Amino acid sequence: DAMVIQNPRYQVTQFGKPVTLSCSQTLNHNVMYWYQQKSSQAPKLLFHYYDKDFNNEADTPDNFQSRRPNTSFCFLDIRSPGLGDAAMYLCATSTAGGRTGELFFGEGSRLTVL
Amino acid sequence: DAKTTQPNSMESNEEEPVHLPCNHSTISGTDYIHWYRQLPSQGPEYVIHGLTSNVNNRMASLAIAEDRKSSTLILHRATLRDAAVYYCFDYNQGGKLIFGQGTELSVKP
Repeated sequence: DAMVIQNPRYQVTQFGKPVTLSCSQTLNHNVMYWYQQKSSQAPKLLFHYYDKDFNNEADTPDNFQSRRPNTSFCFLDIRSPGLGDAAMYLCATSTAGGRTGELFFGEGSRLTVL
Repeated sequence: DAKTTQPNSMESNEEEPVHLPCNHSTISGTDYIHWYRQLPSQGPEYVIHGLTSNVNNRMASLAIAEDRKSSTLILHRATLRDAAVYYCFDYNQGGKLIFGQGTELSVKP
């Protein structure tokens, strides 16, 4: 059974129209991450939550926001998507200080911007 | 953040062993060495990790140099399903996983 679930798997939006991607987890992990992966590139960390503490990467544009209402859910909001924001968005979880430090990734949400 | 270096691509034949190298030139004493892979159209998945000793699991083996400045991921018998991008990391538990470019492994039948 999938432990990190992302919805929707595919999202098409128009230039400038806000979009929200969701991630839920059944692992009860306290750390959740959002990565952006453009075509033929490695995933790039946007931000992560350590419990309720939000940690933004220095080069993440202000256009990207996140919410974590509880342990299980985390959302990625793109306020005004541009053509350059078309990418796969990956959610991952981990238990900080855990034995392996393993990250569990979802299957991703692929965003198309028209 | 610590950076690793890997070859951009490697090729292997099916059923043969594959040795994927990684340089950890800036690794610190408390960083674990982690390997992940990303199959086409999927999220990355954990493969193996270690600190100082060589490690084996059902997916692969990890050989770590004595000075920890390099590691090698070993797939003992490559299959077509092993074709993926393989990423190595210096990972401080509780920290962040910052991806480098990885090694794209292709497996020929």
